[in-house]
Amino acid sequence: LAKTTQPISMDSYEGQEVNITCSHNNIATNDYITWYQQFPSQGPRFIIQGYKTKVTNEVASLFIPADRKSSTLSLPRVSLSDTAVYYCLVGDSSGGYQKVTFGTGTKLQVIP
Amino acid sequence: NAGVTQTPKFQVLKTGQSMTLQCAQDMNHEYMSWYRQDPGMGLRLIHYSVGAGITDQGEVPNGYNVSRSTTEDFPLRLLSAAPSQTSVYFCASRPSGGARNSPLHFGNGTRLTVT
Repeated sequence: LAKTTQPISMDSYEGQEVNITCSHNNIATNDYITWYQQFPSQGPRFIIQGYKTKVTNEVASLFIPADRKSSTLSLPRVSLSDTAVYYCLVGDSSGGYQKVTFGTGTKLQVIP
Repeated sequence: NAGVTQTPKFQVLKTGQSMTLQCAQDMNHEYMSWYRQDPGMGLRLIHYSVGAGITDQGEVPNGYNVSRSTTEDFPLRLLSAAPSQTSVYFCASRPSGGARNSPLHFGNGTRLTVT
């Protein structure tokens, strides 16, 4: 199972761009990279998913270098409502994607 | 547009009591799973199911039982509650089969306190 490593916490001022990097050195060929966001007292919710290069949606961008050993979630112009925990997950293709496990995530605090 | 529904939202148990946490989804998802989240921690996988009649253990299965008699429901049973099971429990689902990379859909959790 590909393990992920991401910073425990980050602070950012409102209006800034925030980049959260996740390393996954043992990612398998068929694995996708998925990011979730969790607000206090809520379940995680899907933000973005990618396999290689760059993916962008209305919420965030995901940058994946050619070797795929890391990925960077980019949140443009954060607001106070972006304060949350962000989880990076790498699918376990060897296990049929059945055991979906989470790390401790990155706690982002947006400061006014 | 219910998605994943968990009941109850809050529960207080005494040590040794039993209870069932309910989880239902209306998206016809084959895969369902249960997680627990302790304060300041990430989510830990308890049990999961890839379809009706099929269940398997996750990272922390001890003290919990599950069954999957229908596609829609995946209840989690605590047979004899212990204070160490005080946590927030999340149920999640996603399509299975060819959509193995599809993201999980989570419920809003059940906050359980065992005294």
